[in-house]
Formats: sequence, structure tokens, C-alpha cells
Amino acid sequence: EAGVVQSPRYKIIEKKQPVAFWCNPISGHNTLYWYLQNLGQGPELLIRYENEEAVDDSQLPKDRFSAERLKGVDSTLKIQPAELGDSAVYLCASSLGTDFTDTQYFGPGTRLTVL
Amino acid sequence: AQTVTQSQPEMSVQEAETVTLSCTYDTSESDYYLFWYKQPPSRQMILVIRQEAYKQQNATENRFSVNFQKAAKSFSLKISDSQLGDAAMYFCAYRRGAQKLVFGQGTRLTINP
Repeated sequence: EAGVVQSPRYKIIEKKQPVAFWCNPISGHNTLYWYLQNLGQGPELLIRYENEEAVDDSQLPKDRFSAERLKGVDSTLKIQPAELGDSAVYLCASSLGTDFTDTQYFGPGTRLTVL
Repeated sequence: AQTVTQSQPEMSVQEAETVTLSCTYDTSESDYYLFWYKQPPSRQMILVIRQEAYKQQNATENRFSVNFQKAAKSFSLKISDSQLGDAAMYFCAYRRGAQKLVFGQGTRLTINP
């Protein structure tokens, strides 16, 4: 079974440029998560999708961040414009649902460096 | 708000020995779930073990076990017979129902051969 796929693995951009990250969850997983992980810290949830619907986006900085999950499968996370403080690892995870027994499976993440 | 604290930024252990990683959390809820995740250098988070708060019995997964002290809000991870492949960052996490996972700051575990 294929795991959660993310691309790119690494991205280096200059500040004020736009950037996008892509996530393909495990087949059949209805719930998708985007997490932000700063260096030396644990991940923090940015947004959670139930199928196509964003059900928890309270931590997403909406002035520069946007996300979409078309057709309830793949998802993209966009930053426009990027700032120096956005340098971090962006993790995508998916689960069958949101029941306790539904394990969240994580992708390898995208490491973003903003110069 | 719920918080998770891991007071040990780094730990090291000799191969084949036992090590315990500490985690405390703060919540006013009575029903919740606790997790330990492992993050190797590849960055992919892997679930190690989970515990339901309403269960008194401590969870065990092969060489990994937890010591869950609900009254003390403590949730430590014990790794027995440590192996080189256990070297990674370990994150303790809290979750209530369908709500988000709240992670601690992590503990970097080094295994000395």
C-alpha cells in the first residue's frame, strides 16, 4: 500500500515569491491534515479536511496561506507571498476518518527555505 | 487549551538497554487519547503506541510500553532492548475526539553502539 506522497521534498525560494505544496493521501482516506513543523518543535495543525470540506482551519494564516482539496483526494497548500518566517517543514497526513482508532499516517514533508 | 510538555530535549542509551522518555500534559477533559510518534531523519512521523484515557491498563507494543498516570497527567514511553534503528525524535501527542493532535516539543533519542 502506497503511503502519503508529498512533493516537492525540498523547496528554496526568495521572500515574497509564491510557493505551493502538493499532497496525495492514502487511497480511501477521507480525512487530510496539513501540519507546520518548525525546527526543533512538534508539528502544529494548519488545516483539516473531511473530504472536500475544510472543517478546522483556525490555525491557518489566511492572509497569505490557502489550501484546497478538490474532489476530496489530492490537496495543495499555497503561500503567497512567502516570508522569512515561513521556513519550516510542511507535513501532510491522512486517516480513514476521525475516530480514535483511525491512525494518522504522515508523509515525508516538504522542507521550505525562504531566503 | 491543552498543552503537552516533554522536558527531555535529548536522551541517550546504550544499545540493548532500556530508556524511558517523559511526557506530561494539561487538560481539563476526562476522555482523551495519548500517542507517541517517532520521527526519524527521513522526517516521516510513525505512530509507535497509543493509549485511551479511560483504560487503566498500560498499552504495550512489542518493545515499547507506556506508563500512563492519569491523575498525575503523565504519559512516559519505555523502550526495552534499544536498537540502533530506534534513534529518532520522539513526540508525545494528545487528542480529544476528532480534534487535532497536540504535540510536545520532542525528545531526540540517541542509541550508542
